[in-house]
Amino acid sequence: EVRLVESGGGLVQPGGSLRLSCAASGFTFSDEWMAWVRQAPGKGLEWVAYIKQDESAQNYVDSVRGRFSISRDNGKNSLYLQMNSLRVEDTAVYYCVRDVRGPRDWGQGTMVTVSS
Amino acid sequence: DVVMTQSPLSLPVTLGQPASISCRSSQSLVYSDGNSYLNWFQQRPGQSPRRLVYRVSNRDSGVPDRFSGSGSGTDFTLKISRVEAEDVGVYYCMQGTHWPYTFGQGTKLDIK
Repeated sequence: EVRLVESGGGLVQPGGSLRLSCAASGFTFSDEWMAWVRQAPGKGLEWVAYIKQDESAQNYVDSVRGRFSISRDNGKNSLYLQMNSLRVEDTAVYYCVRDVRGPRDWGQGTMVTVSS
Repeated sequence: DVVMTQSPLSLPVTLGQPASISCRSSQSLVYSDGNSYLNWFQQRPGQSPRRLVYRVSNRDSGVPDRFSGSGSGTDFTLKISRVEAEDVGVYYCMQGTHWPYTFGQGTKLDIK
């Protein structure tokens, strides 16, 4: 059974930082493109970033480029999202997903709240 | 960015009746490999999204056959042949052809 378990969310002040983690199991993590997708409270879904199997390719949506950094550790079957210079508009549930062109598996999400 | 436009945004349906959701993209979704990366997701209340259909018309394992996807180019449709109570939720189309990948606004399906 595929499992994606996110952690690291919480309340942070504007301008602060958080690091999200996603622990993957049930599939060969090193074979898969991985990504983060977010959903603001009561809103729709928005792509954040993706990363290739060997980290040789990454991409970001314009609104987070230069502030967020996606990475992975294939030895630990883990995906990460380092979020710096957080803004109120980054408040959302952040989902870890597998397979970027059509995410077949989603985690339960971790809530990030940016507020003073 | 590719804009995905869904209609309707609200879809009240009687149990056992069919339902249809349209999704139009602002650009062709045909990728250089010949595939169109158009997907459909269901998000039930309080749950994470679940993929129902990938690459326009391929139903995921475990998805009831009352769900079907169709379309080409810029015009796509998700159909539910007979709506059941468990189908209540928000449905999203998503394109995975052009970065940034984008979702439609969502269509909220509920029971009349």
